[in-house]
Amino acid sequence: EVQVMESGGGLVQPGGSLRLSCAVSGRTFSSYAVNWVRQAPGKGLEWVSSISGGGGTSYFADSVKGRFTISRDNSKSTVYLQMNSLRVDDTATYFCARDRGGVKPYFLESWGQGTLVTVSS
Amino acid sequence: DIQMTQSPSSLSASVGDRVTITCRASQSISTYLNWYQQEPGKAPKLLIYDASTLQTGVPSRFSGGGSGTEFTLTINSLQPEDFATFYCQQTYTLPPTFGPGTKVDI
Repeated sequence: EVQVMESGGGLVQPGGSLRLSCAVSGRTFSSYAVNWVRQAPGKGLEWVSSISGGGGTSYFADSVKGRFTISRDNSKSTVYLQMNSLRVDDTATYFCARDRGGVKPYFLESWGQGTLVTVSS
Repeated sequence: DIQMTQSPSSLSASVGDRVTITCRASQSISTYLNWYQQEPGKAPKLLIYDASTLQTGVPSRFSGGGSGTEFTLTINSLQPEDFATFYCQQTYTLPPTFGPGTKVDI
């Protein structure tokens, strides 16, 4: 069974930065894309970003484009979401989810428990 | 972006009931439609992908159907652990978009 674990959330001031990490178990980590999905308190799910299995292709929601970057280290089976210029409306629980697809989002098969990011002064 | 809508937004049901949730896309998405279940305070869980394929380990009382712009999620004989919020998601085009969710409660 694939295990997904996020870390790195916390309280940050508007305009600040935070880096989230997502560790994924399993021997075929580099074969699959990984996504970040967020959920503001009491709200629905919003896809944020994804990165292909090889790390060469990434995609972003318009709401974070130019502020967030995504990367992966396949030797550590870990994906990173670097969040800069954070805004109050970025406050959410951020879930990491391993995709079944290798390049573009297809379906999110394995999810972590999420890490809370709070942007507030 | 493709807009996803769900109906109803919430419903009340009883154990043993048959429940159907509808998801509509603003344009055709073939069968690139997934369903997720989220219990309060927990991560979403994949139920169905490709509109009608049951994810491994998901009980057979869940079923999905549809293609193009209209899709359904049906739960036969609702169980206590099924009371949750259900989301559809399209992955036909980027960005992948979720529906607003349907909350199923007692």
